[in-house]
Formats: sequence, C-alpha cells, structure tokens
Amino acid sequence: GAVVSQHPSWVICKSGTSVKIECRSLDFQATTMFWYRQFPKQSLMLMATSNEGSKATYEQGVEKDKFLINHASLTLSTLTVTSAHPEDSSFYICSAEGLSRSGNTIYFGEGSWLTVV
Amino acid sequence: RKEVEQDPGPFNVPEGATVAFNCTYSNSASQSFFWYRQDCRKEPKLLMSVYSSGNEDGRFTAQLNRASQYISLLIRDSKLSDSATYLCVVNGGAAGNKLTFGGGTRVLVKP
Repeated sequence: GAVVSQHPSWVICKSGTSVKIECRSLDFQATTMFWYRQFPKQSLMLMATSNEGSKATYEQGVEKDKFLINHASLTLSTLTVTSAHPEDSSFYICSAEGLSRSGNTIYFGEGSWLTVV
Repeated sequence: RKEVEQDPGPFNVPEGATVAFNCTYSNSASQSFFWYRQDCRKEPKLLMSVYSSGNEDGRFTAQLNRASQYISLLIRDSKLSDSATYLCVVNGGAAGNKLTFGGGTRVLVKP
C-alpha cells in the first residue's frame, strides 16, 4: 500500500483560480517533505522543501507567493498553486523520508496531474 | 553542465536480451546513488540503491565508478514489464541532502 498519499490525483481548474494538493505520510512522521514538478518528457525538478512548523525553502526560480506550502503537522504538507495559469499545468509530486529495511528511504506520493484551462 | 546526466534513449530491447546504460554526475562530493523506475504518468519508485562495491537484485545490477563519476544499471533477461523510464538519482554534493534527478533513460522491451 501507499506509504505517502497524495490527493487529488487529477484536477482541472480554470485559469486564475487556486488549487490545493495534499501530501500525507502514512504510518510515519515526516519532518521534511519535498515538492517536485515534472513537465512532459522532462525530469523531476525540486520546487521546495517543506519543513514542519517552519517556512518552506524554495529552489531558485520558484515563486514562493505563487506556490504556497504549508506543513502544519508531521504527516501533512500542502501545496497551493495560486492564480493558476495554463503554463502551471504539470505533474506535481511530493516525497517524504521514512525508515525502511534498507534504512532511510525516500517515498513518493502518487502525484497530482494539474490541468489549467 | 547538468548535475546528473542520462542518455534519454529510447533503448529498444528484444525480450530476453540484456541492456545497460549509464548516468554521470558532476559533483564528486555526491554521497548516495539510486536508480528509480518511473512508469508513464506515475510516480517514481525505488528500484535499487547503488553501493560502492556494486550490487545485484535479481536481474538488475548496479555499479558505481567514483573515479569516473558514473553509475550504471544492467538489466538481464529483459521482460516486457521492464519497459519504463529509469531515473538516476543522486543525493548530496551540490544539492546538499536533497535528491537530484537525471532526465531518465527510456527502455522499451519488445517481443
């Protein structure tokens, strides 16, 4: 079963509206979660590091006022795409670090496909 | 130069054949290396970690060459289900404790 759950899997929204994506760690606490974006046929690009109880750390070129990240609990981080535009259409995916038989392992959520029309 | 580079492929592989491909990384301070598999429109899933001495997991063999700064993945006896994009992932180095992804190598196994 999923170790990291992401919701929604698919979302279509109108240009100018905001969309919230949730990332939950199941059965483990994640003080740090990561948000990525992947455009078609491209690699995953780290957008920001979400830290529980403090401000997120954004990668260069990522607008923090447009991509709002909230990590209010040890099992939930949210990404809100504000005033979405068609160029924001992408695959958004989160990850969290958990403990496995092999030691610390990065687990990914199932991803969220955002289409802005 | 990208931090992690991969041949995008696709590698067209007959079923049952062996395929191998590399990934180069730019920062010699990189600490951990992984191969992830990503199916179309899905999240990446960990295939295997890559250890300094090389490691094998069933039909998959991973190697690390620190001197030349590359890692490799070899798939033996390819199955149709091996068709996917294989992502080289590096932890540490310039990105600190964050994962840096290569662009992926696409593998297509055909009957």
